[in-house]
Parts: sequence; C-alpha cells; structure tokens
Amino acid sequence: GAVVSQHPSRVICKSGTSVKIECRSLDFQATTMFWYRQFPKQSLMLMATSNEGSKATYEQGVEKDKFLINHASLTLSTLTVTSAHPEDSSFYICSASAGNYEQYFGPGTRLTVT
Amino acid sequence: SQQGEEDPQALSIQEGENATMNCSYKTSINNLQWYRQNSGRGLVHLILIRSNEREKHSGRLRVTLDTSKKSSSLLITASRAADTASYFCATAGATNKLIFGTGTLLAVQP
Repeated sequence: GAVVSQHPSRVICKSGTSVKIECRSLDFQATTMFWYRQFPKQSLMLMATSNEGSKATYEQGVEKDKFLINHASLTLSTLTVTSAHPEDSSFYICSASAGNYEQYFGPGTRLTVT
Repeated sequence: SQQGEEDPQALSIQEGENATMNCSYKTSINNLQWYRQNSGRGLVHLILIRSNEREKHSGRLRVTLDTSKKSSSLLITASRAADTASYFCATAGATNKLIFGTGTLLAVQP
C-alpha cells in the first residue's frame, strides 16, 4: 500500500521559534497533499490543501503567514509553523493523494510549544 | 469546515459484541470514508462507500449509506480488544477534500 511518512514524529520548541514538519510520499507521486490539525480528544480539521508547484489553499480561519506550506516536489510537502506559541501545540497530520479519491495519511507529528 | 456529527461520542462494549457507530453530514457527497485512529497515532483507512452505493462489507466491517438522510453507519461485528480506538467518518465532495466527523471513541473490554 501507499506509504506516507512525517518527520519529526515529535518536536518540542520554545515560544517564538519556528518549526518545520516534512511530509513525504514514499512510493507514489502525490499531486495533492493535505495538512490537518488535531487537538486532544477532537477530530481532524483541514488546514490547507497544496498542489505540487502552486500555492496552497488555506481553509477559513487558518493564517497563511503563520502556517507556511511548500509543496516543491511530487513527493514532499513541508509545513512551517512560524513564531510558534503554546496554543499551536497540537497533532499535525498530513495526507497525500495521487489524484483519485484515496488519501494516504502520515503518522502525525506531535508539536509542543513551551 | 463544517464537520459531520457522529454518535455515540463514546461506546464501551464487551469482546464479542457488535459495535455500531453513526455519522450524519450536511452537504452532498461523492463518497464517505471511515477511518480508525489509535491513541496518538495516524489514521488507518477502513472502507470507502460511494454515493451510489447503499451497503459495503469488508471483513468484520459493514457500512451503510443513506444519502436521503445524509447518514452512514459503521458496524463492527464480533469485536475484539484490538478494535479499541477512535473511529471517524469523513465525507468527500467533488474537490477531494475530506471533512471529518466528530468521532466515536470505542472501548472493547476483554
């Protein structure tokens, strides 16, 4: 089956610093990647959709200048949380799609901002 | 994004019993999918049912879809302790974006 990895799996950073999370499709080319955020005991909320080579489309209420998304190749998308604050602490999950209705999810990244 | 509603929010059953979870959504869909998530982990895709399908089976899983009522159900038969997890429905429209439901936390007691 299709495999999607995320790195790092866990990260702790200080308030005010920036953190980059990578999402890779290991065995297929992902024309579209999605980024989700999940707070404890809650569901996944879509943050943005990124297509290779073009700007990401952000969901309402998600600050594009705070959550920078780059999808430079068909196998890699990155999410950078800039000037992180404690309220950004969350579980960030990416998914990748080859263009059909299947999305393959990464294992998630636990971000803790102190 | 508007989320679908799932009920119950939490369900506790004994091993061997069946578990039923329900999902309601608000917009027209292309397909509806069910996922499982173990605590603190990523999502595992369970089953996809298209809008023109009414029922689908996969192993111990049975999914129904009623587009007139905008609802779906997931039945897990003969549950096992390993089925303990959170279960989410997610709907997809024409854009391939997934809108997730609120989830059901299933606990299967051995």
